Amino acid sequence: DSGVTQTPKHLITATGQRVTLRCSPRSGDLSVYWYQQSLDQGLQFLIQYYNGEERAKGNILERFSAQQFPDLHSELNLSSLELGDSALYFCASSEALSDARAEAFFGQGTRLTVV
Amino acid sequence: GQQLNQSPQSMFIQEGEDVSMNCTSSSIFNTWLWYKQDPGEGPVLLIALYKAGELTSNGRLTAQFGITRKDSFLNISASIPSDVGIYFCAGRASSNYQLIWGAGTKLIIKP
Repeated sequence: DSGVTQTPKHLITATGQRVTLRCSPRSGDLSVYWYQQSLDQGLQFLIQYYNGEERAKGNILERFSAQQFPDLHSELNLSSLELGDSALYFCASSEALSDARAEAFFGQGTRLTVV
Repeated sequence: GQQLNQSPQSMFIQEGEDVSMNCTSSSIFNTWLWYKQDPGEGPVLLIALYKAGELTSNGRLTAQFGITRKDSFLNISASIPSDVGIYFCAGRASSNYQLIWGAGTKLIIKP
């Protein structure tokens, strides 16, 4: 158990809908990352937050947004869903931004299926 | 932008064989991380490297931080069936705080 909790574990929704994925980081971790992984693909970095502020953005679509709340949990919002958005979405957390605390710990992921 | 090349893309090996994979970067990294992902699960951290030349073991796994700071290697000795999965490397430069990821090495053990 990595200590990172993601909910829900599975989500099936129709095209055009909007969903929210939730992530609770490990206790004490200030940094949260979101990744998308399509079938048999690598990890595509979406966005990173540190202590409530956006720190880095990857290939995140305009239809997607995220935020990190004062209690450090994070939510990834996906709207106007398309079939191609079906994927595993992972959240990871790390203690800080410094090199000595670079290890990121992953949650179990949310499997999103758009039908 | 920063790129990280991981090879090989996939490996078919016999049980008991040793395995080697590597990652190379177009720029200098201060941190190298190696992860393993089982199907449908999140990646699990195997080894973290923070110093050039550092050699670290975790059971049958050994990883090294290249002295040029542009590469890293992961070796698995005497592979067993539960080693099957996808291995990812990740690195971070001091110029920013992003983790850059390799595309993964898929390890398959031949029956």
